[in-house]
Amino acid sequence: AQSVAQPEDQVNVAEGNPLTVKCTYSVSGNPYLFWYVQYPNRGLQFLLKYITGDNLVKGSYGFEAEFNKSQTSFHLKKPSALVSDSALYFCAVRDRNSGNTPLVFGKGTRLSVIA
Amino acid sequence: GAVVSQHPSWVICKSGTSVKIECRSLDFQATTMFWYRQFPKQSLMLMATSNEGSKATYEQGVEKDKFLINHASLTLSTLTVTSAHPEDSSFYICSSGLSSYEQYFGPGTRLTVT
Repeated sequence: AQSVAQPEDQVNVAEGNPLTVKCTYSVSGNPYLFWYVQYPNRGLQFLLKYITGDNLVKGSYGFEAEFNKSQTSFHLKKPSALVSDSALYFCAVRDRNSGNTPLVFGKGTRLSVIA
Repeated sequence: GAVVSQHPSWVICKSGTSVKIECRSLDFQATTMFWYRQFPKQSLMLMATSNEGSKATYEQGVEKDKFLINHASLTLSTLTVTSAHPEDSSFYICSSGLSSYEQYFGPGTRLTVT
């Protein structure tokens, strides 16, 4: 079975400071990993994904994430947070061998960037 | 990236009526579409997998007769909430993808049942 854990319901960070949103996963095989952001009353916007290759993935809006196989983690990071980054962030996983099956989502982490 | 649209974006209906939500893949053919439901400040809950030309596969606990899914073409899947009640009020999101490492989401439909 596949699963995703986002251990923090809420992350608060001051504007300009680095931010980290944590994600760990569990799959039987090798994973495809995704980060999405959701603003109020909006759908999910794709930020970045890990498929293969370089463990450090760079995505939209200055976000990046590092795939760590030994720790089964895929934490989302940004060097300098903006107030406009305040939103709900979802980590998702899919086993590479599972074909076109639905993504499994974490419960989400609400990021609040304070000016 | 590929585009998935949903219509309507927001709908209010009276209790007991039915509401149809459309999900379209605009620039690719989607043999499979997924329907999710999201309650406020919560994660996405998979409701069903919609397959073109065949019956949808529903997740445990989702009422098939209440949430009717039709995937009549490679670009359109519909979710009909029948005899809606206030507890059906939620944010409904569809998604699809071209491969196992791609997944595109619609903008969502907010349903309010009064």
